[in-house]
Amino acid sequence: AQSVTQLDSQVPVFEEAPVELRCNYSSSVSVYLFWYVQYPNQGLQLLLKYLSGSTLVKGINGFEAEFNKSQTSFHLRKPSVHISDTAEYFCAVILRQGAQKLVFGQGTRLTINP
Amino acid sequence: ETGVTQSPTHLIKTRGQQVTLRCSSQSGHNTVSWYQQALGQGPQFIFQYYREEENGRGNFPPRFSGLQFPNYSSELNVNALELDDSALYLCASSLRDSSYEQYFGPGTRLTVT
Repeated sequence: AQSVTQLDSQVPVFEEAPVELRCNYSSSVSVYLFWYVQYPNQGLQLLLKYLSGSTLVKGINGFEAEFNKSQTSFHLRKPSVHISDTAEYFCAVILRQGAQKLVFGQGTRLTINP
Repeated sequence: ETGVTQSPTHLIKTRGQQVTLRCSSQSGHNTVSWYQQALGQGPQFIFQYYREEENGRGNFPPRFSGLQFPNYSSELNVNALELDDSALYLCASSLRDSSYEQYFGPGTRLTVT
C-alpha cells in the first residue's frame, strides 16, 4: 500500500519570502507524484506532476518540486510567495501500473502574511 | 474544452436519508473517480468507473454506490446517511490510458444532520 506524509500541517510565511512544503511517500512499487492546490471552497487544481525524466519539475504559478528517490521525497518550493498563494496544498501519489486511485497526504495550509 | 462539473454545490440531508450527487466529465474523458474529503483531511478514494463498470474501490461500505452513463457522466449514491458522511465529495475525470492524470470538479458539500 502507498502512503503520503506531509510533514507540516500549517506553514505561515511573509509575502515575497521563499517557501518549502515537505512531502514524503512510501510505496513498494513505482509511483507518479503530484501536487494539488485547493483554494477556499473550491476543488483541487493540479500544480505539477512528476512522471519521469528530470527530477526537478516546474508547475503553474511559479511553483517547482524536486523528486528525490533515495529519500522518497517530493518537496514543493516557491522562491517568492504572494498573498494569492494562500491555500491548502496536497501531495499525492498514484501507481504507475494499474493506476486507479490517488493517495493524498493530509494537506499543508499555507498562510501568507503581508 | 469543458471542465468537470458537479451538482449540486451544497446540500443538507438528515441521517438515514439517501442522496445522489452528479458529475459531468471533462470533454473526451472516459473514466470517472470519486473522492470523499472530510473537513481538514486529504481526499479519500471511493471508487472509479470506466465503461459503465466499477474499476476499483476504496475502503467504503456498500451503501456507497455509483453509476456511469454512456456519455461518461456519473452519479454517486449514498444510502442510509450517517453524520460522518458529511464531507466535500469530489469527482475527477481522466482518460483510461492515462488515468493517473485526474482533473477535479469543484465538489459537492454534503452536510448530514
